[in-house]
Amino acid sequence: GEDVEQSLFLSVREGDSSVINCTYTDSSSTYLYWYKQEPGAGLQLLTYIFSNMDMKQDQRLTVLLNKKDKHLSLRIADTQTGDSAIYFCAEKYSGGGADGLTFGKGTHLIIQP
Amino acid sequence: GAVVSQHPSWVICKSGTSVKIECRSLDFQATTMFWYRQFPKQSLMLMATSNEGSKATYEQGVEKDKFLINHASLTLSTLTVTSAHPEDSSFYICSARDLRLAGAYEQYFGPGTRLTVT
Repeated sequence: GEDVEQSLFLSVREGDSSVINCTYTDSSSTYLYWYKQEPGAGLQLLTYIFSNMDMKQDQRLTVLLNKKDKHLSLRIADTQTGDSAIYFCAEKYSGGGADGLTFGKGTHLIIQP
Repeated sequence: GAVVSQHPSWVICKSGTSVKIECRSLDFQATTMFWYRQFPKQSLMLMATSNEGSKATYEQGVEKDKFLINHASLTLSTLTVTSAHPEDSSFYICSARDLRLAGAYEQYFGPGTRLTVT
């Protein structure tokens, strides 16, 4: 099946920028997503990007897509303690179910004071 | 808007019993709902896609007789874990797609249900 890879942990200082990286294998992916999961909670959609875009910015969030290298990144500017969570990269794939998403294992963002 | 709820949020059951988990879209109509399971410190794995009024489509390796999915209305889908075993213990999360947003690809996720089978 298709695969989405992320590093498991990222530690940054409060106020710095966080950059979470993701690689995927499905070259036919049309949409790529970033979700945030806080402890014991469900997933919150942060942002998504169409495959024909290179960049998308939404307030503190910047998504960069390098389709040639199948690399997606999420930059969080001015990281705050409330940003501490697990961040999942996901791609829409053409699996057994329409619009099913393939998720990475998630990157645990740790904020240092 | 676009809120998805799940009930119960946490359930403990004995091995061999069945458990039903509900997923509701509270303020929108969901023609399609998805069921995922998440093991500790693991990613979400899509189990099945449920379309209102039709049979669910299961992903490879998911036992359809064990995980019964019903999507009887545009706001409710249920997942029943039949004859539960300890290895079925997991975090089950549903998501729903908004019918009004044709062509949109946003999925709204519920808060999840933690199932523990003893």
